[in-house]
Amino acid sequence: SAVISQKPSRDICQRGTSLTIQCQVDSQVTMMFWYRQQPGQSLTLIATANQGSEATYESGFVIDKFPISRPNLTFSTLTVSNMSPEDSSIYLCSVDPSRDTQYFGPGTRLTVL
Amino acid sequence: GNSVTQMEGPVTLSEEAFLTINCTYTATGYPSLFWYVQYPGEGLQLLLKATKADDKGSNKGFEATYRKETTSFHLEKGSVQVSDSAVYFCALSNNTDKLIFGTGTRLQVFP
Repeated sequence: SAVISQKPSRDICQRGTSLTIQCQVDSQVTMMFWYRQQPGQSLTLIATANQGSEATYESGFVIDKFPISRPNLTFSTLTVSNMSPEDSSIYLCSVDPSRDTQYFGPGTRLTVL
Repeated sequence: GNSVTQMEGPVTLSEEAFLTINCTYTATGYPSLFWYVQYPGEGLQLLLKATKADDKGSNKGFEATYRKETTSFHLEKGSVQVSDSAVYFCALSNNTDKLIFGTGTRLQVFP
């Protein structure tokens, strides 16, 4: 398994601003994943982040809106850019240390006014 | 394509009742199957998993058996507690690193 922390745990932001979410893992992992969970909904994969390469985005998500950094094997950031109320969601990162099971962080609860 | 279908919630039970949350899947090949649980205000926790047909995953009194013939992975618990109140997600992974989630089922247990 893996222990994952996220910062901030929650935030309230104004429309048009940007928020960067941090994800820290207690061990080195090749792949990290970012998900969005809209209110009352299931999880949707935003992108997969490998260290040393560009993130791979899922259909409907673009780098300009959700830029991702992966500077090393234990850390990643997701930025939600030019926010609107529709971006209000829980954002979760996950890792798959042994390539057979994903483990999730506690999530970042974002409210955009 | 790959997909997961869960029963709609909420499921409302009294304490010590028997729980079943249905999950069926569509996938080619032999996916791995998972149940995750999300307690109020928290992230997702892995509850149990099964990686091949007829495997039974179990944890904290919950069980689920990988049934390839019915493409199902139903979650069961013999006696639920108030502390089991949460949202339960069924998911699959099919030879990729991606998880495909169901819509989630909210369980409410009353004393």
